[in-house]
Amino acid sequence: EVQLSESGGGLVQPGGSLRLSCVASGFTFTNYAMNWVRQAPGKGLEWVSSISASGGNKYYADSVKGRFTISRDNSKSTLYLQMTSLRGEDMAVYYCARMGSSWKDYFDLWGLGTLVTVSS
Amino acid sequence: EVVMTQSPGTLSVSPGGGATLSCRASQGVGSSLAWYQQKPGQAPRLLIHGAYLRATDIPSRFRGGGSGTAFTLTITSLQSDDFALYFCQQYSEWPFTFGPGTKVDI
Repeated sequence: EVQLSESGGGLVQPGGSLRLSCVASGFTFTNYAMNWVRQAPGKGLEWVSSISASGGNKYYADSVKGRFTISRDNSKSTLYLQMTSLRGEDMAVYYCARMGSSWKDYFDLWGLGTLVTVSS
Repeated sequence: EVVMTQSPGTLSVSPGGGATLSCRASQGVGSSLAWYQQKPGQAPRLLIHGAYLRATDIPSRFRGGGSGTAFTLTITSLQSDDFALYFCQQYSEWPFTFGPGTKVDI
């Protein structure tokens, strides 16, 4: 079955760090660019970061630039998001999403998400 | 940054009826526009890409249209399963941006 499965969310204090993981299965991970998208409670969707299939190109939202790092391990079919200096406004469900067939494309497959709670 | 707006915020429709959702971009995005459906507690699901191309397994009652800065999602013969939140997204340029969503309810 084609799917994405996120993990690593949880409760963290402001200023803390967390690493999210997203394991892909059922498709050739190395063929696709990947993304992180977040959704604060009761709010809309916010694109966070994208990484190309090879990992050589990365983009970040201004709201996380310098604090978050996207990476991937193609040998493990896994996408990561390292989050540091976390703030209250980072609290959200974080989804990993597969890019369509080309770089700079729609998101055709989403995981179920993992909740990040930032609170003291 | 391309700012996406959607209208209306909420649309009340009867089962079997039709709905037209609007999405506007602050600058032209060509046909690089997608629509997603999200139900409570679930991940978004891709409905439409390329402004009018239905994603895999999406029924024909979902129809996308428009280009440039103005787009629509039309849902005909609404079924109970269609009552949800709908987001548009531009992927013409980074940062990719989403609209605030339109809630379709009974």
